[in-house]
Amino acid sequence: EDKVVQSPLSLVVHEGDTVTLNCSYEVTNFRSLLWYKQEKKAPTFLFMLTSSGIEKKSGRLSSILDKKELFSILNITATQTGDSAIYLCAVEKGYGQNFVFGPGTRLSVLP
Amino acid sequence: GAVVSQHPSWVICKSGTSVKIECRSLDFQATTMFWYRQFPKQSLMLMATSNEGSKATYEQGVEKDKFLINHASLTLSTLTVTSAHPEDSSFYICSARSRQGGANVLTFGAGSRLTVL
Repeated sequence: EDKVVQSPLSLVVHEGDTVTLNCSYEVTNFRSLLWYKQEKKAPTFLFMLTSSGIEKKSGRLSSILDKKELFSILNITATQTGDSAIYLCAVEKGYGQNFVFGPGTRLSVLP
Repeated sequence: GAVVSQHPSWVICKSGTSVKIECRSLDFQATTMFWYRQFPKQSLMLMATSNEGSKATYEQGVEKDKFLINHASLTLSTLTVTSAHPEDSSFYICSARSRQGGANVLTFGAGSRLTVL
């Protein structure tokens, strides 16, 4: 059975801290791994990863994929209160198939 | 970039009535759209995959007669919650697959919060 696991499920930090969110997966026909940020409404796209070892970076956020060990991490440096959200990891299975979502990590950044 | 519009964003209805939620891809064609349900503080739960011009594929445990999905065009999918009951109250989100930078990305609508009285 396909599954995507995220850890931790919940995290509380203070502004300025650095956090690392984890996503591991077991899916058939892996195609890509995506990270999303969900605040109050719909998830917004952060990164898509398809190749191992290539870091994607956007401002204070970065992510990398390890296809051998079947996991990805999302790093957020110098966290701000605006980073408070649920971070979702999703894996795309093959072309024309589904995206399997993890349970999400709820990040709370305190001032 | 790709934009998905979902309407209505909030709906309150009486028990026993039906509610229709629309999901539109505004600047791209979406042969496949996905419908999710999300309970408070929980992740997205896939309900069904909507395919243009054919029947939707429902996930195990989702009643197809209760959650009617129609994908009549390449830019519109609808979810109708029939004979709604209070336990159907939830946040419903649609998404569409689009191509960005040569790869598939899911773009989400803003979601629809359904409250059944």
